[in-house]
Amino acid sequence: GIQVEQSPPDLILQEGANSTLRCNFSDSVNNLQWFHQNPWGQLINLFYIPSGTKQNGRLSATTVATERYSLLYISSSQTTDSGVYFCAVHDRGSTLGRLYFGRGTQLTVWP
Amino acid sequence: KAGVTQTPRYLIKTRGQQVTLSCSPISGHRSVSWYQQTPGQGLQFLFEYFSETQRNKGNFPGRFSGRQFSNSRSEMNVSTLELGDSALYLCASSPGQNRQETQYFGPGTRLLVL
Repeated sequence: GIQVEQSPPDLILQEGANSTLRCNFSDSVNNLQWFHQNPWGQLINLFYIPSGTKQNGRLSATTVATERYSLLYISSSQTTDSGVYFCAVHDRGSTLGRLYFGRGTQLTVWP
Repeated sequence: KAGVTQTPRYLIKTRGQQVTLSCSPISGHRSVSWYQQTPGQGLQFLFEYFSETQRNKGNFPGRFSGRQFSNSRSEMNVSTLELGDSALYLCASSPGQNRQETQYFGPGTRLLVL
């Protein structure tokens, strides 16, 4: 199956700081999603971004499919941004709906 | 639209018992997938159902099974529970027409096996 690597594994910031999270994948993908896992465990959709750039408030994401990576930018971090951020992909070489997840980036934002 | 719902939210079982978890997808969604999350293995795919048929299965033993009903609700069952089955079980729904479309996750069921 496709390999998904996220970096850094842990990130500690003070409120107001900016951050960049990276997701590398080993093969061509059809779909890439970014999720935020809240403290109760639910995965919240942030972006569906197989290619290009999208922005939603303080968050933006860029996927460069030809170079097999995606970046999630968080600007002016807030304590509520804390949690684990996952990227997940669908294998372009398969027609199946399975998502392959990275191990996540644990973000902690201090006041 | 209401989101994906999962019941129960928390469950404590003992080794050897069996458990059934339920997932109701977003209205109109016909595909339901299940994932297991553990600290050691991360998020792993269990299986996917579409129109009451399993169309994809991950690498889990036969103790893990599932089904989908005509209203698209899905259940997964784990028989002969082991300590290692303690995990957060997440289900996700998607419309289903395109197999590789955006998936929306429920709040999960936390299973503790003692």
